[in-house]
This record gives sequence, C-alpha cells and structure tokens, in this order.
Amino acid sequence: EAQVTQNPRYLITVTGKKLTVTCSQNMNHEYMSWYRQDPGLGLRQIYYSMNVEVTDKGDVPEGYKVSRKEKRNFPLILESPSPNQTSLYFCASRVMGGNTGELFFGEGSRLTVL
Amino acid sequence: AQSVTQPDIHITVSEGASLELRCNYSYGATPYLFWYVQSPGQGLQLLLKYFSGDTLVQGIKGFEAEFKRSQSSFNLRKPSVHWSDAAEYFCAVGAESNYQLIWGAGTKLIIKP
Repeated sequence: EAQVTQNPRYLITVTGKKLTVTCSQNMNHEYMSWYRQDPGLGLRQIYYSMNVEVTDKGDVPEGYKVSRKEKRNFPLILESPSPNQTSLYFCASRVMGGNTGELFFGEGSRLTVL
Repeated sequence: AQSVTQPDIHITVSEGASLELRCNYSYGATPYLFWYVQSPGQGLQLLLKYFSGDTLVQGIKGFEAEFKRSQSSFNLRKPSVHWSDAAEYFCAVGAESNYQLIWGAGTKLIIKP
C-alpha cells in the first residue's frame, strides 16, 4: 500500500530536549515536505526536499532541521524544542513535476512541548 | 500578496442538505487550485484539482468545484452531504512550475443528524 509513515504520532516533551520525527514514504517520490498545522493558520511549510541531499527552507524553518540522506526518508529534527513548536506536524511527498502532482500526506504527529 | 481565503471557519449543515465551501485566492500567476480534506485523526487527502480546461471539476466522494476567474474563486460543492463528510477542508493554490502551495486556513464541516 502506498503510504507516508510518520513516527511518533503523539509526543509530549520538555523544552530543550532534542527530538526527531521520522517520515518515510514507499512511493519512490523525489519531493518531500514538512508542514505544521495550527488552528486558524492552515498549513505552513517548514522545509522541503526535491531529492537526496537537496533541502530548502519553507515559510517557517526557524528552530527546525531536516536531512535527506535516502530518498524514502525525511526526518524533522528539533534540536532545542520550545513551547511555540507545539503543533500538529505533517510530512508529505509527491512526484516531481511541479504542482501538477498530488501531495500524499502522513497521518500527522501531534507534538506538545512543555 | 499571494493568499488564499476561506471565509468560513465552521459550517454546519444537516445530513442530506447541499454544501458549498468558499475559497477565494489572490495569486500572481496562472493558478493551479486544489481542495484537500482532512478527516479526524488523518492526514490530508486530495479531493480535486483544477489546472485548465473545463471550469467545473469533479472529484472523489461526490464533490465538485467551480473555478471562476473573474471572481478569483474556487468553491467546493456537494449536492447531498453524508455524516462521513464531517472533516476539515483546505483550499490551496500554486503555480505549475514550482512546488510551493499557499494554503487557506481551513473550514470545519459539521454535520447535523
């Protein structure tokens, strides 16, 4: 089954404790992206990657890091989480070809930073 | 500035009634338009998209949307809603040549029995 898998789905942590949210897709997609979803703000892009070893900032990259060492994986790293990073995070992927392709989303990771 | 506006934060409709969710956009290039649905506890799923051609597009789950260039709108419709349609709906716009999408804030659809 074609899917984007995120882990963990739920996480409560404390300020400053490094964490990683993993994302893996099995569709051989070149493009992967991370979003955060906050009430009233819709989805905001954090980082995206157009291929292995190619990553770029989205609209709200501060406080986040990503890496793309393999095509299927695109982890999101919070080196020193703060309460304003409490949010619902989505990983998504698509084939290359600009916006003509459908974005496939993971089920989301709800993060709470105390 | 480029933006997508979904004027209704919440909409409540009775099961079996018709539905229209509004989406207005401001975009400098030829827009590619999308509606995605997020069911509770799930990720987003593409309902339909408009690139060119017929301005009335059909999607999954019985949804359709109409592109009106003069009004910069891409409203989503369904003739008769089912309880399973309760979800949050997002409109998004982008250009063909890039990968960035501008998202609306979402409209939460509540179905009354």
